[in-house]
Amino acid sequence: EVQLVESGGGLVQPGGSLRLSCAASAFTFSHYWMGWVRQAPGKGLEWVAHIKQEGSEKYYVDSVKGRFTISRDNANKSLYMQMSSLRVEDTGVYHCTRVRCTSTSCYGFLYFDYWGQGALVTVSS
Amino acid sequence: EIVLTQSPGTLSLSPGERATLSCRASQTVSSSNLAWYQQKPGQAPRLLIYGASSRATGIPDRFSGSGSGTDFTLTISRLEPEDFEVYHCQQYGSLPLTFGGGTKVEIK
Repeated sequence: EVQLVESGGGLVQPGGSLRLSCAASAFTFSHYWMGWVRQAPGKGLEWVAHIKQEGSEKYYVDSVKGRFTISRDNANKSLYMQMSSLRVEDTGVYHCTRVRCTSTSCYGFLYFDYWGQGALVTVSS
Repeated sequence: EIVLTQSPGTLSLSPGERATLSCRASQTVSSSNLAWYQQKPGQAPRLLIYGASSRATGIPDRFSGSGSGTDFTLTISRLEPEDFEVYHCQQYGSLPLTFGGGTKVEIK
C-alpha cells in the first residue's frame, strides 16, 4: 500500500525557517511527480508546490515563491520542502502528495492520488 | 485564478439517503479537469473522482461525479455510516490549482 509519511513540523517564530520531509514507500518514487498541499486551521485545502520526477521542473503558488523550495532525493525516496521567511499565514497542516498528470507537461494538469496525514506547522511569536 | 464554490456548506442527511454536493467554478474548467476528495478529521484526504466522472481505484460505485464547464456534482447514491465526512473539489485546468471550501456531510 502506498504510504507517505511527513515529518519536521513544529512551532517557529515569524521570519524563521523549517524543513519538512516526506518518506515514500510501496511505489516507484522516481517515476512520479510529487507535491505539497496545505490546510490552514478551519480552512480549505491549498496547493503549494509540485516537482518533476528528476527535479528539473518546479511550480509554486505565488504566495510562497521566493520563500519555499521543493526538492527530492530519489535514491532515498524522499520529498522535501524548505520553508524560510515564514509568516503567520503559513500556519497549517502540510500534506505530502503523489501527483497524477493528465498531460505530458504536468504544468497545471494534475491531481493528487495519494496523500500523507500531514505535518503541522505553526508560525507564531 | 479559478475560484471554486462548494454548496451547501453542510448537508444533514440520514444513512441510506442520497447526497448531492455541488462545486461551481468562476470560469470554465477545461476538459472537465475536476477531482473530488473525501477527508476524515485528522486524516489524509482520499481521492474519489478525477476527470469529473471517473472513480479512483477502490472507490465504491455509490460515489459518482458529473458535470462540465462550470458546474460539477458529486452524488452519493445511498449514504453509508462511513460517508459522513468532508468533501473537497479541485480544478486542474490551470495554475494555480485551486480547491473549493468543502462540504461537510453530517448525520441528521
